[in-house]
Amino acid sequence: DGGITQSPKYLFRKEGQNVTLSCEQNLNHDAMYWYRQDPGQGLRLIYYSQIVNDFQKGDIAEGYSVSREKKESFPLTVTSAQKNPTAFYLCASSIRQDSYEQYFGPGTRLTVT
Amino acid sequence: GQNIDQPTEMTATEGAIVQINCTYQTSGFNGLFWYQQHAGEAPTFLSYNVLDGLEEKGRFSSFLSRSKGYSYLLLKELQMKDSASYLCAVRPSNYQLIWGAGTKLIIKP
Repeated sequence: DGGITQSPKYLFRKEGQNVTLSCEQNLNHDAMYWYRQDPGQGLRLIYYSQIVNDFQKGDIAEGYSVSREKKESFPLTVTSAQKNPTAFYLCASSIRQDSYEQYFGPGTRLTVT
Repeated sequence: GQNIDQPTEMTATEGAIVQINCTYQTSGFNGLFWYQQHAGEAPTFLSYNVLDGLEEKGRFSSFLSRSKGYSYLLLKELQMKDSASYLCAVRPSNYQLIWGAGTKLIIKP
């Protein structure tokens, strides 16, 4: 089955630690995205990537980093510089950047204490 | 600034019809999307409008008026499984999506 996987579903970390969230897709999509979802707010774009070895900052990139070494994988690192890291993180992909439909992974709920 | 407004929460009865509104103010317009999101799950694509008018897809329809910066999602013959949040998103440019905060729809028997 084609789709997007994110793991783990729930992640707990201590403040001051970096943590990496995984995102893998087998849809052969060129474009991939990371969003953050907080209660009462719309999805906010953290980073996006149009092709392998290329990525761009979204609206709230501070305190986050990404890599795109393989077409299938787009991991997100939440660094200790991110002031409010506790959130629901969603990874998405689309055939191309201008494709109208984005496919979402199941999300990772990160709690930092 | 860019802004999308939707009601925070709506309640409807099983079997009835509900209309969820979305108004937007963006720097450009290249399409409007509706997604459904059940609690704790991934959003799933429902509809896409780029031209004015009504797009019908089964029990769900979506309407767009670009001149008014307005869209609505119409859900007919409501079922309990339709209880979810409905997200409105606008594409002002080729890559970016601006998302509304979502409307939580509660269906009562």
